[in-house]
Amino acid sequence: AQKVTQAQTEISVVEKEDVTLDCVYETRDTTYYLFWYKQPPSGELVFLIRRNSFDEQNEISGRYSWNFQKSTSSFNFTITASQVVDSAVYFCALIRGGGADGLTFGKGTHLIIQP
Amino acid sequence: DAGVTQSPTHLIKTRGQQVTLRCSPISGHKSVSWYQQVLGQGPQFIFQYYEKEERGRGNFPDRFSARQFPNYSSELNVNALLLGDSALYLCASSFAQGGMGNQPQHFGDGTRLSIL
Repeated sequence: AQKVTQAQTEISVVEKEDVTLDCVYETRDTTYYLFWYKQPPSGELVFLIRRNSFDEQNEISGRYSWNFQKSTSSFNFTITASQVVDSAVYFCALIRGGGADGLTFGKGTHLIIQP
Repeated sequence: DAGVTQSPTHLIKTRGQQVTLRCSPISGHKSVSWYQQVLGQGPQFIFQYYEKEERGRGNFPDRFSARQFPNYSSELNVNALLLGDSALYLCASSFAQGGMGNQPQHFGDGTRLSIL
């Protein structure tokens, strides 16, 4: 069975602060894929990034960066110089190789950026 | 290009009724998955269809069923509705099964189902 844990239920920071969202996962599969999705109040899940289990390179996209460490089964997400528009619920998710089981999501972290 | 479209946006039903939710994938996508998201929780996987065949099923009762049509659109049916079925139902599409390769699953805005 797979499991994704997002221990931070809610984080509140002031605009321009850096913030890191934690994600810890469990799986027995050697081939798997990790994702981050953003869910604004409108409800749509917006895809942010996908990582496969064989690629531990960190990635940076503008103010967003992701740190994947297989040794600690973590896939953390950092927003640099946060903005009010970053306010949303963020989900980390896992899917096994083959993909037939669907995505396993964490419970999400509600990020509040105060002006 | 149009994203994943779902209909209806909102729906109110009473206990015991049946409901059908609809999803049109992104053009060219052959895989459709359904998820249930209860308030305050992450989405839970219900079904996956690829090339019109069921390829995966989550831990949901037989009251839940789905199908995929030749144009790759999909319907989710829920019979004998319970209060606990109140949730946001999300549809996701991807080119390949389960988002394999470099194709992630892209989600629609969802159908918000309320059971009275």
